[in-house]
Amino acid sequence: EVQLVDSGGGVVRPGGSLRLSCAASGFTFDDYGMTWVRQAPGKGLEWVSGINWNGGSIGYADSVKGRFTISRDNAKNSLFLQMNSLRAEDTALYYCARVNDPFSYSRYFDYWGQGTPVTVSS
Amino acid sequence: QSVLTQPPSVSAAPGQKVTISCSGSTSNIANNYVYWYQQVPGTAPRLVIYDNNKRPSGIPDRFSGSKSGTSATLGITGLQTGDEADYYCGTWDSSLSAVVFGGGTKLTVL
Repeated sequence: EVQLVDSGGGVVRPGGSLRLSCAASGFTFDDYGMTWVRQAPGKGLEWVSGINWNGGSIGYADSVKGRFTISRDNAKNSLFLQMNSLRAEDTALYYCARVNDPFSYSRYFDYWGQGTPVTVSS
Repeated sequence: QSVLTQPPSVSAAPGQKVTISCSGSTSNIANNYVYWYQQVPGTAPRLVIYDNNKRPSGIPDRFSGSKSGTSATLGITGLQTGDEADYYCGTWDSSLSAVVFGGGTKLTVL
């Protein structure tokens, strides 16, 4: 059974940093791209970042470019999102999701984690 | 404001049919696959349509998808109360080099 478990969320002050993790199981991790999607309270889905199977292709939404860094450790079946210079508008539930394509992050997201909440507040 | 435009809400009675539209442009829908996700409040999104009109295993054939030009449509027939959820369209935008979503449509089964 495919499982994605998000963790690492919390409360942080503006300007602070946080590192999210996503532990994958039930499938061959390096056969798939991975992605992060967030959802602000009461709002819709917003794509944040994506990475292909080996980290050779990476993309970011303009809203996080230069502040967030996506990475993966295929030996540990894990996906990460390093978030720096956090702002109030980054407050959201952050989901990791599997991309149904090893070579890109632009295809559909076929499995999702349960989400981890991030609150940026002073 | 979302790159893809969806109606905020739609409603229909149990057993009836509903369609949800998703409008985009030549940089996204017209030249890329469209996907649809269902999100029951308090839960993670679930893929219901991929590659414009294909259903993942486990999704009933009451769900269908279509695309024409810069627009796409999700159809649901034989509505059930369990179909009440928010529905999002998504695709790749070649100009933005980003995945984009619609603002979401809340489906109410009256």
